[in-house]
Amino acid sequence: EMVMTQSPVTLSVSPGERATLSCRTSQSVSGNLAWYQQKPGQAPRLLIYGASTRAAGIPARFSGSGSGTDFTLTISSLQSEDFAVYYCLQYHSWPRTFGQGTKLDIK
Amino acid sequence: VQLVQSGAEVKKPGASVKVSCMTSGYTFTNYFIYWVRQAPGQGLEYMGIINPSGGGTSYAQKFQGRVTMTRDMSTTTVYMELSSLRHEDTAVFYCARDSDSGSWLGYWGQGTLVTVSS
Repeated sequence: EMVMTQSPVTLSVSPGERATLSCRTSQSVSGNLAWYQQKPGQAPRLLIYGASTRAAGIPARFSGSGSGTDFTLTISSLQSEDFAVYYCLQYHSWPRTFGQGTKLDIK
Repeated sequence: VQLVQSGAEVKKPGASVKVSCMTSGYTFTNYFIYWVRQAPGQGLEYMGIINPSGGGTSYAQKFQGRVTMTRDMSTTTVYMELSSLRHEDTAVFYCARDSDSGSWLGYWGQGTLVTVSS
């Protein structure tokens, strides 16, 4: 089973600043990685798929990069609504696996 | 595309729970449905998938023997039944569907809270 490691577990950033979240996989997933945002009491929301393609309606301040085993989600200028938990998902192999999440909170 | 799940449940340890996911807005047989568990304050955990076309299933090893996923073609509804419930099964259960153009989870149900309490 693919092991996903997200870092950091918690990231404290001030509004307007840049946030960089990491996801590492135990084996190569090529570009088959997605990022999700989840707020309390809500279902996850797709942000990025194919490692770097923004989903429909996702603001340009969200960007993804990476391939193989190392991936990054960057939020260029944090807005108040961006403080949430972020998960990566690999869909390269079965079973599908999620990272354990990074909580982005206000500094 | 809509995935609408059944309401919250409270179950006793040892019981079973069956959660439904009613789908609409697309051809039911064209896309897998996934089930994902999220314990309170915890992350997302893949449970398995069902192929509505033939009913074939694949379950995560952790849930093998306790989970059963089925579908009803007449109502385009998918079900997830979890048996032998324990306190640690208290969680929100989500159904989700592949995206239109790839295998990432593009559509999610609203979630169903299952509370296991004696």
